[in-house]
Amino acid sequence: AQSVTQLDSHVSVSEGTPVLLRCNYSSSYSPSLFWYVQHPNKGLQLLLKYTSAATLVKGINGFEAEFKKSETSFHLTKPSAHMSDAAEYFCVVSVPNAGKSTFGDGTTLTVKP
Amino acid sequence: DAGVIQSPRHEVTEMGQEVTLRCKPISGHDYLFWYRQTMMRGLELLIYFNNNVPIDDSGMPEDRFSAKMPNASFSTLKIQPSEPRDSAVYFCASSFSGSHFYEQYFGPGTRLTVT
Repeated sequence: AQSVTQLDSHVSVSEGTPVLLRCNYSSSYSPSLFWYVQHPNKGLQLLLKYTSAATLVKGINGFEAEFKKSETSFHLTKPSAHMSDAAEYFCVVSVPNAGKSTFGDGTTLTVKP
Repeated sequence: DAGVIQSPRHEVTEMGQEVTLRCKPISGHDYLFWYRQTMMRGLELLIYFNNNVPIDDSGMPEDRFSAKMPNASFSTLKIQPSEPRDSAVYFCASSFSGSHFYEQYFGPGTRLTVT
């Protein structure tokens, strides 16, 4: 069985300050982990993925995430928020060679000018 | 590749009418997923297919919903009869088992409004 918990439903930051979106996971196997972003009235876009090649994963638009097995976490960070980062972010876990993924409930990121 | 294609992008219908949503997955992908997203319930997995065969339809809300995948390049989600509570954005996504990691690629969604 697998599950994912996004620890914050809403995060608000000022433009130019760091972003931290938290995600914890549970999996019986070595998981694959993903972050997706959904801008208003748009579909979900793959931001980055962890596939065991490296614990620090870089994604698009300056985002990165670090896989910490001991903490079962996969937090998403960005050094400096931009107004265009305002969106909903989903953390996703899947078991390799399994078809279905488990989505978190999402975190809404607000960026204040 | 054009990505996952969904049609129509917007659908407005009256209660009781039949609604058919369409999806074309990315060529070569062997998994296809249908999701529903609402403010109240968030993102819900309705059903998914592997090699055109339904694997898990436990998320389908009731018998009014049905999904088919007649071939590798086309799937439909049908609601008959539709009800106002079916109003939502419906997403189709596809993935490729050969990638090992099964990342899903989403279409732009169909916004359904049932009046």
